[in-house]
Order: sequence, then C-alpha cells, then structure tokens
Amino acid sequence: DTAVSQTPKYLVTQMGNDKSIKCEQNLGHDTMYWYKQDSKKFLKIMFSYNNKELIINETVPNRFSPKSPDKAHLNLHINSLELGDSAVYFCASSQRPTGRHNEQFFGPGTRLTVL
Amino acid sequence: QKEVEQNSGPLSVPEGAIASLNCTYSDRVSQSFFWYRQYSGKSPELIMSIYSNGDKEDGRFTAQLNKASQYVSLLIRDSQPSDSATYLCAVEGDSSYKLIFGSGTRLLVRP
Repeated sequence: DTAVSQTPKYLVTQMGNDKSIKCEQNLGHDTMYWYKQDSKKFLKIMFSYNNKELIINETVPNRFSPKSPDKAHLNLHINSLELGDSAVYFCASSQRPTGRHNEQFFGPGTRLTVL
Repeated sequence: QKEVEQNSGPLSVPEGAIASLNCTYSDRVSQSFFWYRQYSGKSPELIMSIYSNGDKEDGRFTAQLNKASQYVSLLIRDSQPSDSATYLCAVEGDSSYKLIFGSGTRLLVRP
C-alpha cells in the first residue's frame, strides 16, 4: 500500500531523448511536488501542483513540463535530455492548502542517468 | 535567496551516545520546520516536525526550535547504527507550499 509511488525507478537514456516519469499518491492529498536531488544530495523544488493547478514553477528549463491529469497524479516530461539532467527525481505530496502545516511525503524516487 | 544551512559532516558518534544535528535558516518569518532522514539510495522520510519555540519529543528524537536565533536542532538519544543516514532540515519558504531543504548532515553511528 505505497502512499506515493513513482515509475520507473531507474531510467537510463541517451542525450537528446524525451522521457516521462509518472507519480501517483493515494493519501488523498491536494498538492503534489517534483524535486530534483543532484549528486551532492541537494534537494530542490521544481514544481508544485494543487488540485491540477500549477502553483510553484522554480527556475527550471522549459524542457521540463509537468502535467497533472487529476489531483492524485503528477507526471514529469523531459524533452531533449542533457547530461546535466542526470539526478534522482522525487515526487512528494502534502495536504496543503487544507492541512495546517506543509508536511510532505516522498515517493521512492526515479534515478535518471543520461549518457 | 532564502537559505537553510547544515554542517555536511560526517558526524560520528558511538552507539548509545546522543547525536546533535543543527540547522540555521535565513527567513525570519518561517513558521514550520521539519527533519527528514534519508538512507543511502532511499527517499527522504519525515521524522519530526516542529512549529513553536521549545522542545518536541518523539521517542528517541527531540526537535528544538529557537526562532529568535533562527536555528532548529535534532537530538537523537541512545544512537543506534541504524540511525546512520543523512538528516535533512527543511523550512517552510516564502510560499506556504514550498519547503527549502538544507544540504543535509551525514550521521555515522559507530557500533
């Protein structure tokens, strides 16, 4: 009964390809997030959606496009992959805005390797 | 740019000791603070949250918050080798939807 799930767990691809990562949460949360964790383990917010509406869009190349078909799903599509995109991508969810505090729960991560 | 600072470590403590992890933040208006534990190759796991000044205890973990000095700390009592992990401090940012993470402190508990 995984609360936040992601697929695939590993993704190895060539430079220039397009790839997608999918995320689903069964916690009943309204808000979902994408984070990038680089090789130095620094975890940085990329996007956030609240009930299918984009509410956070950090300084991310527009090759990255999130899509939320419903509030339980948030996908990340990456065009024209570059070597620097290699990282672990985490999906997370929280009860915001209804929850009093922004406790976020993370999926298992997708390790993307661009060759 | 709002920042959250942590010593990268590693912090090495013997089994049974108290491990003390510290975090400072730059945004004076931050209201919510979190500690996540991340084992190597795994995802961050929420272990403590704290919202008001003082101490909050949960089992072997105690979170301490001092908003005037802008620091938050995590104490782990009776440290176990299984506590060896990276501990990430997170602070609510300028948007109530955003968390800003520190770079983490690696804790090593020696048997």
